[in-house]
Amino acid sequence: SAVISQKPSRDICQRGTSLTIQCQVDSQVTMMFWYRQQPGQSLTLIATANQGSEATYESGFVIDKFPISRPNLTFSTLTVSNMSPEDSSIYLCSVEAQLEQFFGPGTRLTVL
Amino acid sequence: AQSVSQHNHHVILSEAASLELGCNYSYGGTVNLFWYVQYPGQHLQLLLKYFSGDPLVKGIKGFEAEFIKSKFSFNLRKPSVQWSDTAEYFCAVNPQLDSWGKFQFGAGTQVVVTP
Repeated sequence: SAVISQKPSRDICQRGTSLTIQCQVDSQVTMMFWYRQQPGQSLTLIATANQGSEATYESGFVIDKFPISRPNLTFSTLTVSNMSPEDSSIYLCSVEAQLEQFFGPGTRLTVL
Repeated sequence: AQSVSQHNHHVILSEAASLELGCNYSYGGTVNLFWYVQYPGQHLQLLLKYFSGDPLVKGIKGFEAEFIKSKFSFNLRKPSVQWSDTAEYFCAVNPQLDSWGKFQFGAGTQVVVTP
């Protein structure tokens, strides 16, 4: 299994600012994934982050808005840049281990 | 476009009642199928998964799901629910030709079990 922690667990931010979310895994994993769950909606994949390469973004998500770092096999960050109220969501980190997908506890972001 | 549909957004039932949550997906190729559960205040947890083989899969906590390929469905069932089954349930699809971990989720079904 894989145990995932995220920081912060929640935050309230002002419009126009940026927030960096950290994801730490207790084991080395090749791929890490960032998802978003907007209020009342399903989880949507933002991007896939592989160590040592640029993240791959899904349609509708761009690097300038959601820059991702993946400095090693146990850690990743997602930055939500130039935030607007529409960015208010839960952001989840996810990893695959032994053919099972594990999810972090999420970061609840509210943008005022 | 690929999509995953969960038929009910909210379900309220009494303890010992039977539960069935519907999930349909639109994708023409071979898929991996999953049900996840999120208990209040907790992480998403895997209930069960289907990759291939027997279309009736059993998961944790007495849950099972049946894959019906002709109907593009993967419905979740539990014969007798408990109060502790109160949670949100998500159906998810991972197309086998796509990268592992790139899941498409349904909107979720909030299940409330009353004592």
